[in-house]
Amino acid sequence: GEDVEQSLFLSVREGDSSVINCTYTDSSSTYLYWYKQEPGAGLQLLTYIFSNMDMKQDQRLTVLLNKKDKHLSLRIADTQTGDSAIYFCAESMTGGSYIPTFGRGTSLIVHP
Amino acid sequence: DADVTQTPRNRITKTGKRIMLECSQTKGHDRMYWYRQDPGLGLQLIYYSFDVKDINKGEISDGYSVSRQAQAKFSLSLESAIPNQTALYFCATSGNGRQGEQFFGPGTRLTVL
Repeated sequence: GEDVEQSLFLSVREGDSSVINCTYTDSSSTYLYWYKQEPGAGLQLLTYIFSNMDMKQDQRLTVLLNKKDKHLSLRIADTQTGDSAIYFCAESMTGGSYIPTFGRGTSLIVHP
Repeated sequence: DADVTQTPRNRITKTGKRIMLECSQTKGHDRMYWYRQDPGLGLQLIYYSFDVKDINKGEISDGYSVSRQAQAKFSLSLESAIPNQTALYFCATSGNGRQGEQFFGPGTRLTVL
């Protein structure tokens, strides 16, 4: 079955890099996503990676995909207090309905 | 203006009451979804609809029903609310492409006493 796992909390100092990790179980995943949820708001797509890619970079964000280990990570360079939020990893499957399966979310806390 | 709107944003009700949460979208998407979020549990899919005549149950549909009144409108009902339905509810939409990006509303915080 589908399962997406991520740790619940991460605390970093402002200016450091943050790395949020995610593991998934379904080997037929097509797209892997990172969503961000700010306090009092809905989720918003940050970035996604197609399963035939190893890496994707977008400004301060770097997504790394290790298909062999079914491991996805999101690195945020120069983390700012505005990056404090909950980050959700999600996957959707080849040949399925492309409805994402979400992890439980990682709360990123950025302190001065 | 927001592309996906939800009403009400907050609601407090009593056990046994019927509650309807409404969702509207201006993105022109065919696909709409209702999710429930509980702290530490992530998002759980309640119902989804791929077009006006299509309704599908998600992981946790018991105690909920939905109506897709138009392409732009998808409502969620709790026929007889119970306290363990206290949660944050999100509506989302997506296009028909493989990418599957979802666009979320701001959420409705429901408290059942």
